[in-house]
Amino acid sequence: GQQVMQIPQYQHVQEGEDFTTYCNSSTTLSNIQWYKQRPGGHPVFLIQLVKSGEVKKQKRLTFQFGEAKKNSSLHITATQTTDVGTYFCAGRAGNTPLVFGKGTRLSVIA
Amino acid sequence: NAGVTQTPKFRVLKTGQSMTLLCAQDMNHEYMYWYRQDPGMGLRLIHYSVGEGTTAKGEVPDGYNVSRLKKQNFLLGLESAAPSQTSVYFCASRRPSGSGETQYFGPGTRLLVL
Repeated sequence: GQQVMQIPQYQHVQEGEDFTTYCNSSTTLSNIQWYKQRPGGHPVFLIQLVKSGEVKKQKRLTFQFGEAKKNSSLHITATQTTDVGTYFCAGRAGNTPLVFGKGTRLSVIA
Repeated sequence: NAGVTQTPKFRVLKTGQSMTLLCAQDMNHEYMYWYRQDPGMGLRLIHYSVGEGTTAKGEVPDGYNVSRLKKQNFLLGLESAAPSQTSVYFCASRRPSGSGETQYFGPGTRLLVL
């Protein structure tokens, strides 16, 4: 079945450093979504990408969807302590349910 | 709007006991989902529903049953709990495809099976 792989599993950064997490699918995706889960909280939707090569920005966060629609990335510029949490990508192929990656846990050292 | 709510927040069960987790949403969403989250495993889909009266199996359905008798509620049942079912359970809902596919998650239910 469809698999979504996400790396790295953990990332520790100093406050102010940049951070990137990568997501790869075994199949071509119709769309990809990104979620953030704060420690002890629930996943919260960040963004959805649909088009090949699409790039979207939300303040310090930049999301990309690959040309082949099989990979995606989330880049955070100049991390802050408020960015702490686990970032999940989730992809959909056709009409199937979303498949979540295992997430990247981000720690920010002040 | 309360969004997605889950009951209970926390529960301890003994092996072999049964229980039902309740998920309720007030956004009139057609689609509802049950996930379990284990350390290092991300979110795995247990069962889902695309409308009242319909259910379907997800990635890890064994040991669980679900029912969607009312559009706003989605129940997850454990008939005979096992320690392997110790996890955090999240419910989510969304509108049908083509009208925004954001999934809205509930706060979660922490289940410990001894």
